[in-house]
Amino acid sequence: GAGVSQSPSNKVTEKGKDVELRCDPISGHTALYWYRQSLGQGLEFLIYFQGNSAPDKSGLPSDRFSAERTGGSVSTLTIQRTQQEDSAVYLCASSFLAGGSYEQYFGPGTRLTVT
Amino acid sequence: GDSVTQMEGPVTLSEEAFLTINCTYTATGYPSLFWYVQYPGEGLQLLLKATKADDKGSNKGFEATYRKETTSFHLEKGSVQVSDSAVYFCALTPNTGNQFYFGTGTSLTVIP
Repeated sequence: GAGVSQSPSNKVTEKGKDVELRCDPISGHTALYWYRQSLGQGLEFLIYFQGNSAPDKSGLPSDRFSAERTGGSVSTLTIQRTQQEDSAVYLCASSFLAGGSYEQYFGPGTRLTVT
Repeated sequence: GDSVTQMEGPVTLSEEAFLTINCTYTATGYPSLFWYVQYPGEGLQLLLKATKADDKGSNKGFEATYRKETTSFHLEKGSVQVSDSAVYFCALTPNTGNQFYFGTGTSLTVIP
């Protein structure tokens, strides 16, 4: 009965290195989302996967960011050539239909620090 | 496009004070509306939701009523506690698909 899990919980990397962030959604949830939350800021939408449909990548800030979702379950967000402005908490969420509407459940986030 | 606007913070209240955090939305049709809470160092948690006009969502003493005529979903609590200190996010999902739109968040600090 696990919730959404994310790994690693913290990641420190040097500027210019690539990083991969992982998200395991709740089993059976068809949609998966990635958001970014900078210190003291709101949520910035990055990308959204829904079933087998093409993902909505409209929130990705640059072509250094990419994400994939394998087998309709686990997702990996990759940031290439990291920059200091990429430092933030990256949140993953999955959703399902409940009580007439979709509900979104969040993981604890991965705190990325680029030095 | 669909969007959510919520009251800017930060908000600081004394324990047992009345809380209102305003949220208004723009959407076509009949979206579902949510309040999420983020406690320090944690991810977002669903606090309450309402799926149609005049519905009232409630949880942990918090309430919000879906007002279509004013396109609002204000969060209220009659008597806040120190443990309510957190950031509160208003959100909507349209009745088609399950994309979510979040407000910018309102930080609440309750002092003893």
